[in-house]
Amino acid sequence: GAGVSQSPRYKVAKRGQDVALRCDPISGHVSLFWYQQALGQGPEFLTYFQNEAQLDKSGLPSDRFFAERPEGSVSTLKIQRTQQEDSAVYLCASSKDNQPQHFGDGTRLSIL
Amino acid sequence: QKEVEQDPGPLSVPEGAIVSLNCTYSNSAFQYFMWYRQYSRKGPELLMYTYSSGNKEDGRFTAQVDKSSKYISLFIRDSQPSDSATYLCALGGGTSYGKLTFGQGTILTVHP
Repeated sequence: GAGVSQSPRYKVAKRGQDVALRCDPISGHVSLFWYQQALGQGPEFLTYFQNEAQLDKSGLPSDRFFAERPEGSVSTLKIQRTQQEDSAVYLCASSKDNQPQHFGDGTRLSIL
Repeated sequence: QKEVEQDPGPLSVPEGAIVSLNCTYSNSAFQYFMWYRQYSRKGPELLMYTYSSGNKEDGRFTAQVDKSSKYISLFIRDSQPSDSATYLCALGGGTSYGKLTFGQGTILTVHP
């Protein structure tokens, strides 16, 4: 497709469940980023991949958060043992080297 | 203190007005500056992107960067109701390559 695609668009989970969020970047974009956006706030950086290598995971809030991009294209953000404070919009962005990032529409995660 | 400060507004203006949106930052390592527009339940959409101090114009939009004052602005001329959205400043090239640091976002409403 023409843009960054994220699925699912909405996810509701019970506290303690594991969730997996998918990102399909723009074709040919080597860089992929995950951000977390709380209500009324700007996005906050979680992690960054260049191809399949995870070069920065400094923004992941705890070891319950894990991201992968095994073939350098599609990426999955996994959250284990979800907590209420994990409720947020999770945004994925991709870019070519040294070019601006283009964002998907996000996954809105609600933890009950 | 946050690395990037942005007045959340909300800002309400009549159609046709000139809108000024601003961000200040504290980390002089930031090298590139972006403005994104975000409609409700959508991802951020890139509006403007610049590396250098000075002005950059694109249609009704002008981005201004003053690195000496650590101050960036976005001006919207002849504002339209379709400009109603949240505007996010984003700065990159600081402590981690590729990572963007966002302001909180300013909510703008342009009323007919």
